Amino acid sequence: GNSVTQMEGPVTLSEEAFLTINCTYTATGYPSLFWYVQYPGEGLQLLLKATKADDKGSNKGFEATYRKETTSFHLEKGSVQVSDSAVYFCALSRAGGTSYGKLTFGQGTILTVHP
Amino acid sequence: DSGVTQTPKHLITATGQRVTLRCSPRSGDLSVYWYQQSLDQGLQFLIQYYNGEERAKGNILERFSAQQFPDLHSELNLSSLELGDSALYFCASSAGAGNTIYFGEGSWLTVV
Repeated sequence: GNSVTQMEGPVTLSEEAFLTINCTYTATGYPSLFWYVQYPGEGLQLLLKATKADDKGSNKGFEATYRKETTSFHLEKGSVQVSDSAVYFCALSRAGGTSYGKLTFGQGTILTVHP
Repeated sequence: DSGVTQTPKHLITATGQRVTLRCSPRSGDLSVYWYQQSLDQGLQFLIQYYNGEERAKGNILERFSAQQFPDLHSELNLSSLELGDSALYFCASSAGAGNTIYFGEGSWLTVV
């Protein structure tokens, strides 16, 4: 079946540091890949997505590239801010088969950024 | 604001009781998904409806049920509640398979 594995957290960084959160996936066919973010006390927000190999999703300074050869979708940001402190979820969906487009999530990575 | 509305935002109830969580999808979205988020299980897919019909089922307990009404809103019914059912329940919607899924802010359920 489909699965997503994220690097274990929590991740603690100083402001303006470089961020990488690793994400790898297992899926048949060609899934779409997503990063969602959950700020403290809030729901899930779509951060970025990529729908085919070599696509780069980007938003708010965050980037992730769909790498089919390594089945990865690592999240990066060049300079994090305190306001980026949140839980980040990698997820995939497949439009075909019995998945019907539902999302399969990784376990989430807690990011804390200190001033 | 994702456009997905969930009520209630917070709910405290006793073991053995039954509750109903309500979800209004984004305007025009035909698919509704329910997810459960707990500390030990993470984000688990429960069930999906598409235009009123059940489309996919995940790790949903037999004590739980859901439905999607003709106006496309959905309800998740949780019965014979146990302490372990305490969690954040998310509703999400999309236009259909292959489209981006948008989440509501969730309903916090505490069973005491």
